[in-house]
Order: sequence, then structure tokens, then C-alpha cells
Amino acid sequence: TAGITQAPTSQILAAGRSMTLRCTQDMRHNAMYWYRQDLGLGLRLIHYSNTAGTTGKGEVPDGYSVSRANTDDFPLTLASAVPSQTSVYFCASSDTDLSYNEQFFGPGTRLTVL
Amino acid sequence: SQELEQSPQSLIVQEGKNLTINCTSSKTLYGLYWYKQKYGEGLIFLMMLQKGGEEKSHEKITAKLDEKKQQSSLHITASQPSHAGIYLCGARRGTYKYIFGTGTRLKVLA
Repeated sequence: TAGITQAPTSQILAAGRSMTLRCTQDMRHNAMYWYRQDLGLGLRLIHYSNTAGTTGKGEVPDGYSVSRANTDDFPLTLASAVPSQTSVYFCASSDTDLSYNEQFFGPGTRLTVL
Repeated sequence: SQELEQSPQSLIVQEGKNLTINCTSSKTLYGLYWYKQKYGEGLIFLMMLQKGGEEKSHEKITAKLDEKKQQSSLHITASQPSHAGIYLCGARRGTYKYIFGTGTRLKVLA
């Protein structure tokens, strides 16, 4: 099984442009998450979704939006990119009915905003 | 400051040596996760600890959660180059909210 896939692998984006990072999981997990990983700051939660049709804000939601139209897909949109959004973005999913509720991570999208 | 502090930030060891990575929380931990991240890749789940005093092992990696549930250690015995990567501890702060430490970069010299 593929687990979680993310696209694109990397992207260079001009400031002010919009972009959508794609994330798809095939594990039928109810919960999905978007994180950004920055040197010295670790992983920080941007947005999450506990089930299709429902989303919530994480620690650093400003400048980002998400949607969860179905169980498998959880796209992250930057409406007007700024250089501070240069980061590596990870999508993750988990089954919150399981006792461990561990997260499964995608390979990441490296985004550079110039 | 980080709610989860990891030490050391980086570590270089000779192959075959043992090593320990620590994760300290400013709050009581209700579930502590250890993940490994290979450079340029996503995180891979290693193990989870829930009870104070709990200890788990997977191959040559052992993790412990102290009795007070505010500190965890990850111990690697007889390290190998395949152990190289970034080790992150994580904790739940609600059903859907997780926090992570900044990671420990491990390099194993052959």
C-alpha cells in the first residue's frame, strides 16, 4: 500500500502566488494533519481534520487553509505565499480509534517562497 | 521555549557504541511517541509509551518513560549506520493535537 502520498515533492513559488499542496492517504484513517518543519522549531501543527467535512486550527494556521471533502484527501492551500512560509510541509494521518493513535507521515513537500 | 526539549541536539558516535537521547516535558505526558526521520524523508513511528515506568524495545532500540511521566529516554545499543537520522519525541495535547521536540540528529561513523 502507498500509505500517504504528497505532491509536489518540491516547489519554488513567487511571493504573492497561491499554491495547493496535495495529500492523499489510502488507509481510511479518520484524522489527517498538516505540519511544517523548520530548523530549530521542529514540527508545528498547521491544521487538522478529525473526519471528512470537519477541520480545525493547529498552532500556526495563519496564511493557510484546508478542506476535507472526503476521507482520503486533505489539501493545504496558501492563498498568497510569503517568504516566511518557506518550509518543509508534512501531511500525516491517524486512526483515533486505535489505542496508540500514532501518526503516519507522508514524504514531505519542500516549498521555497521567493 | 519548547514544551518538549530534546538532548542532545546532535550526536556523532562510532559504530558499535551505545547512545541515549532524552526528551523532557514541561507537563505531564499522557502518551509519548518516538519517531525516526531519515534525512529528507517523512517520520516513521518507532514506539509509544503511556504508563509511568514503562519500557519498550524494538530490535536494538529501547525507550523508557519515567515514573513521573515527564521524561523519556531512547537508548540504542551497538549502533549501526542504519540508525543514523533524526529522532523526534512527540506528545498528544488533545485527541487531534500533537507537539514534537526539535529532534536529535544522529550520525553513526562506520
